[in-house]
Amino acid sequence: QVQLQESGPGLVKPSENLSLTCTVSGGSISGYYWSWIRQPPGKGLEWIGFISYTGSTNYNPSLKSRVSISVDTSKNEFSLRLSSVTAADTAVYYCVRNSRLLPATFFDYWGQGTLVTVSS
Amino acid sequence: QSVLTQPPSVSGAPGQRVTISCTGSSSNIGAGYDVHWYQQLPGTAPKLLIHVTNNRPSGVPDRFSGSKSGTSASLAITGLQADDEAEYHCQAYDSRLGGLVFGGGTKLTVL
Repeated sequence: QVQLQESGPGLVKPSENLSLTCTVSGGSISGYYWSWIRQPPGKGLEWIGFISYTGSTNYNPSLKSRVSISVDTSKNEFSLRLSSVTAADTAVYYCVRNSRLLPATFFDYWGQGTLVTVSS
Repeated sequence: QSVLTQPPSVSGAPGQRVTISCTGSSSNIGAGYDVHWYQQLPGTAPKLLIHVTNNRPSGVPDRFSGSKSGTSASLAITGLQADDEAEYHCQAYDSRLGGLVFGGGTKLTVL
């Protein structure tokens, strides 16, 4: 059974960078695409972007200028970096596994999520 | 606001049937792209409920079903149970944005 676990700081100061890592266990990161999705408190889900195990990426246009997703197949993990954060970036961040390629992509395995609060 | 539109809330009594709509446009659902649904129980991560319009992963009861017509999709839940109380999210691909989009989520209350 594939399991995903997010890790990283729960508190980030405004204008700084948010960095999270997702460790995949119970299966290989190779052969799949992996996404980050976030959910602000009391709001809906927002897809941030995805990366393939080979390193190709696709980002949400609304966040593209501030987002970078990387992968480390040797550690079976992938990471999110969001720059110049504001309070609007406060959310629960989920790492997920993509099933199927675009445009038929859906998300079949989810991490438990980690709350990141942007505040001074 | 979200690219896909869902009602903020729906409710029903135990045993009843409820439907949750997901309205899109010609660049997503109307273009024929698949619609997927997720169930998010209180305080937990979303879970895949329906994929490719009306396919249930192993373990999801057949009380849950999906459909699609034109620029909209629907999730139907029959024989409503107390533990169906959750937030439900629809998701699809949008060709104008070139990425994946969600509805705003619908909170189901079992009366």
